[in-house]
Amino acid sequence: SAVISQKPSRDICQRGTSLTIQCQVDSQVTMMFWYRQQPGQSLTLIATANQGSEATYESGFVIDKFPISRPNLTFSTLTVSNMSPEDSSIYLCSVGYGEVGNQPQHFGDGTRLSIL
Amino acid sequence: AQSVTQPDIHITVSEGASLELRCNYSYGATPYLFWYVQSPGQGLQLLLKYFSGDTLVQGIKGFEAEFKRSQSSFNLRKPSVHWSDAAEYFCAVGPRPGSSNTGKLIFGQGTTLQVKP
Repeated sequence: SAVISQKPSRDICQRGTSLTIQCQVDSQVTMMFWYRQQPGQSLTLIATANQGSEATYESGFVIDKFPISRPNLTFSTLTVSNMSPEDSSIYLCSVGYGEVGNQPQHFGDGTRLSIL
Repeated sequence: AQSVTQPDIHITVSEGASLELRCNYSYGATPYLFWYVQSPGQGLQLLLKYFSGDTLVQGIKGFEAEFKRSQSSFNLRKPSVHWSDAAEYFCAVGPRPGSSNTGKLIFGQGTTLQVKP
C-alpha cells in the first residue's frame, strides 16, 4: 500500500486563524479524501478531493470553511479557515486506488489540531 | 438511512482470551465492509475487508470477520488477544463501484478495546 504523509502531525492554533494541512502520497492514486474525527467520535467524510477540479463536499461542510486543493495525483491540501474551538479534531487524509469501492481506502496518521 | 452501529463502546478482555467486536449496518444495497484499527496517536490501519465470496475473511494480526447478510452484521473476532491489540476498532461500509457515492465510507462509532494482563 501507499505511504501517506500528512503535515503537520499536530498543531495548536489561535481562534480566527487558518491552517493548511498537506497530504502527500508516494504513488499516484485515483481518489483522495479528507475526514474529520472529533474528540471521542468516529470519522466523518468532509470532502472528496478531485484532481483538476473543485472538491465534492459532504452535507454540512462548505468550501469557504474547508477549501481543498488537489493539483496532481499525489498531493492534496485541506485548509481549516477561521478556526474556532469546535474545529479541534483529528483531520485525516485517505486515498483510494483504481476503481474505488473495489479497493479499500488507506489512511495517513492524521493531523491533530487544537484551537485555543 | 445508511448507518453503521457498533453496540459496544468499550470492551475489556484478559490477555489470551477470545474477542468478538460487533458491527451491524443499514445500507440500501450490499456494501463493501471493512474493519480498521486505530492505535493511540496513529491513523487508521486496515485489518480486513469483505467484497464478495467466502463470508469468513481473514485479516492481519490474526483477526477474522464473518459477513452475515441475514443479520446485516460483520463481526470481528480473534481467538487469543494480545496486549498489543489494545486500540480503537472501527467498522466501516462503502458502496460498490458505479455508485454515485463511490468512495464514501460510513464509519461506526468505534469500540475501544482494553486488554488486561
